[in-house]
Amino acid sequence: GQNIDQPTEMTATEGAIVQINCTYQTSGFNGLFWYQQHAGEAPTFLSYNVLDGLEEKGRFSSFLSRSKGYSYLLLKELQMKDSASYLCAPGGGNTGKLIFGQGTTLQVKP
Amino acid sequence: ETGVTQSPTHLIKTRGQQVTLRCSSQSGHNTVSWYQQALGQGPQFIFQYYREEENGRGNFPPRFSGLQFPNYSSELNVNALELDDSALYLCASSPGMRGGPSGELFFGEGSRLTVL
Repeated sequence: GQNIDQPTEMTATEGAIVQINCTYQTSGFNGLFWYQQHAGEAPTFLSYNVLDGLEEKGRFSSFLSRSKGYSYLLLKELQMKDSASYLCAPGGGNTGKLIFGQGTTLQVKP
Repeated sequence: ETGVTQSPTHLIKTRGQQVTLRCSSQSGHNTVSWYQQALGQGPQFIFQYYREEENGRGNFPPRFSGLQFPNYSSELNVNALELDDSALYLCASSPGMRGGPSGELFFGEGSRLTVL
């Protein structure tokens, strides 16, 4: 089965850095996705880690440790528009069958 | 390039009724996955269609069924609606079962179903 754990809510200040953690237990692991979802909108793809280590993409970075079943999403230079839900999703070979965590709602304050 | 479109965007049904939700996949995509997202939760996988065939199903009862058409658009049908079926139903397409260039799915804006 699958078990995914991420914090329900986080609050941070504009301009700061925030790290959103995700731990997982899953069978058939083949990589981990992060998606961003603004309230009332569709999830949008942020990152995909298949190997251990840090992947950097602009203000967003994602880290994966397969042996520890652990990932985090790092958001730098926070902006108000980063207020959204962040969904962790470990995937198998068929990346259309994702198992999502409950999501972490991030609120960025001025 | 047109993205994933879903219809209707909002609808209200009563318990016991049936509903059909529609999804047009992004141009060039032959794979469609459906997800149910309850308020405050992450999306839950319902099933996937690849080239008109069901290709995997999540933990949903048989009253959740679907179709994919030759143009790769898709329908989700739910019979005998229950109150707990109230949710956002998301359709996601991809150019194959392994997703886009980075393995990603492309989601539509969803259909919000309320069951009274």
